[in-house]
Amino acid sequence: ETGVTQTPRHLVMGMTNKKSLKCEQHLGHNAMYWYKQSAKKPLELMFVYSLEERVENNSVPSRFSPECPNSSHLFLHLHTLQPEDSALYLCASSQDRVTGPTDTQYFGPGTRLTVL
Amino acid sequence: GEDVEQSLFLSVREGDSSVINCTYTDSSSTYLYWYKQEPGAGLQLLTYIFSNMDMKQDQRLTVLLNKKDKHLSLRIADTQTGDSAIYFCAESITGGYNKLIFGAGTRLAVHP
Repeated sequence: ETGVTQTPRHLVMGMTNKKSLKCEQHLGHNAMYWYKQSAKKPLELMFVYSLEERVENNSVPSRFSPECPNSSHLFLHLHTLQPEDSALYLCASSQDRVTGPTDTQYFGPGTRLTVL
Repeated sequence: GEDVEQSLFLSVREGDSSVINCTYTDSSSTYLYWYKQEPGAGLQLLTYIFSNMDMKQDQRLTVLLNKKDKHLSLRIADTQTGDSAIYFCAESITGGYNKLIFGAGTRLAVHP
């Protein structure tokens, strides 16, 4: 148990559906991250929020829309996805803008997404 | 550019030592990390090392850092079947936030 939870753990959706992934951290961190992990590529950083402000959008298609309402919660809204978007989506959090090992990112268990 | 490289597979016998290697490119990295991912799970932080250290030991884990060659290794002593997983090396890139660059991961298989 890392203190980062993700729901749902598994999601199957059609290409025309709209769904959301949720991440919650109980570590008092102020930065949160979305990563995509697929069989074909190593971990890909998608979005970063620091102090509830988006600081990185790593050329992610607009069919993925992040939302960070507060420092403990992070969402990834999905719409009109493609089968190639099927992957494990991992959320992480860290204590940002601090130099030292507290920069360490702690990961949730991930949401396994399958797009039909 | 930023790049972290690891070999993809390692197979060891139970009870032997495992050594997983990693090379990185950014000489300004302040911390280097090892994460473990078991099947169906997220990434679990195993250990980290500060860039001004050469070695760090934590129970069965030993991390060696050769900053000159930008080479990092993770040694697992007395490897057990429960150590079977994917191991990711990551370097931290200093900036406005903590950006980690991950390697592709080394799949460790432990056999009897």
